[in-house]
Amino acid sequence: NAGVTQTPKFQVLKTGQSMTLQCAQDMNHNSMYWYRQDPGMGLRLIYYSASEGTTDKGEVPNGYNVSRLNKREFSLRLESAAPSQTSVYFCASSWTGRVDTEAFFGQGTRLTVV
Amino acid sequence: AQSVAQPEDQVNVAEGNPLTVKCTYSVSGNPYLFWYVQYPNRGLQFLLKYITGDNLVKGSYGFEAEFNKSQTSFHLKKPSALVSDSALYFCAVRDITGTALIFGKGTTLSVSS
Repeated sequence: NAGVTQTPKFQVLKTGQSMTLQCAQDMNHNSMYWYRQDPGMGLRLIYYSASEGTTDKGEVPNGYNVSRLNKREFSLRLESAAPSQTSVYFCASSWTGRVDTEAFFGQGTRLTVV
Repeated sequence: AQSVAQPEDQVNVAEGNPLTVKCTYSVSGNPYLFWYVQYPNRGLQFLLKYITGDNLVKGSYGFEAEFNKSQTSFHLKKPSALVSDSALYFCAVRDITGTALIFGKGTTLSVSS
């Protein structure tokens, strides 16, 4: 049982390049999330998806797009990377409508934009 | 809006001593509170949660947390710290829609031998 799997684990981009971060979960969860982690800022929500076919903006969505490909997969795309997007990105999943359940996190993608 | 605050950036304790990592919250309605731990270069691991009921919640690795409604706090505790407890700890609360988790900025726990 892999839980939440993110690829790649590390990536270096040049300013203006694009890339897609991949996330898949095998727990049959309805909800999936993308967070970014920056020193002293904690984790901030970028986008989330409460069910297949729906996505919503979080606290810091600018510069990102997402796709909920199916129930298992939720990708995050940077169309034109900027140095301010240097961060560690975490994907997570949980049950929709179950406020008493925790979210499960992937191992993270460390992205550097130069 | 829902929010959590972790007032200490870093907590230092000696091995064998009790530890406390503080968290206060602000919510509309019932609070659903969580603690996570992050070891270096790893993802977040769930430790424990408060949903309802007993104010003292027990979790993984010997950790527990005390919910205090009047002080709007949810402090993480452990009676005897281990060097291996050294990590980054996050408090979180469910947002008002019950969808995402809102995280505090994190507290680095350093346990010295």
